[in-house]
Amino acid sequence: DAMVIQNPRYQVTQFGKPVTLSCSQTLNHNVMYWYQQKSSQAPKLLFHYYDKDFNNEADTPDNFQSRRPNTSFCFLDIRSPGLGDAAMYLCATSRGQGGQETQYFGPGTRLLVL
Amino acid sequence: AQTVTQSQPEMSVQEAETVTLSCTYDTSESDYYLFWYKQPPSRQMILVIRQEAYKQQNATENRFSVNFQKAAKSFSLKISDSQLGDAAMYFCAYTRAGTASKLTFGTGTRLQVTL
Repeated sequence: DAMVIQNPRYQVTQFGKPVTLSCSQTLNHNVMYWYQQKSSQAPKLLFHYYDKDFNNEADTPDNFQSRRPNTSFCFLDIRSPGLGDAAMYLCATSRGQGGQETQYFGPGTRLLVL
Repeated sequence: AQTVTQSQPEMSVQEAETVTLSCTYDTSESDYYLFWYKQPPSRQMILVIRQEAYKQQNATENRFSVNFQKAAKSFSLKISDSQLGDAAMYFCAYTRAGTASKLTFGTGTRLQVTL
């Protein structure tokens, strides 16, 4: 089935140790998103790609970066994770950028920072 | 800035009964979309229903329907004939029309379905 895949589902890292989360999609969608969801909070958009165009949210910390080497894959890099970065990270895709577009979500990667 | 508020952190409903989840939002835009997403435990979030602000008719998808009150900025979700599989976290979300579909989510309502 076409889907959004996130690996790993659980990631443990040490304070300050760079970590990369990955997302892949078989939907051939143009747009890919990364959301951060902390416990009992709403998912918060970090950034998104429309094709190769990167769009960073104004309040996304510089510690967070992203790469999209091709249509199928998108990575979230956290350069120096802090304890406050522990969260569920959700990847999503959509066919286009219009407000009417449905976003398709992956199962998320739960990041634990020790 | 747009905000989405879900004032019910948790709700419970008996199987086969009806439950309504509340959502209010704040925006100065006239054209936008509203969504309800469902996030089952340990599974991915999926779209339940979508409402276009310029459409007066309330959206319906099988057992799921919305009550969209544009003037009141209210967007509630009604689940009829509740099933055990409806147990999940439900998020209300907003996005402006015509631009990148950046969703603004509420904090969610956890729905329990009991026998």
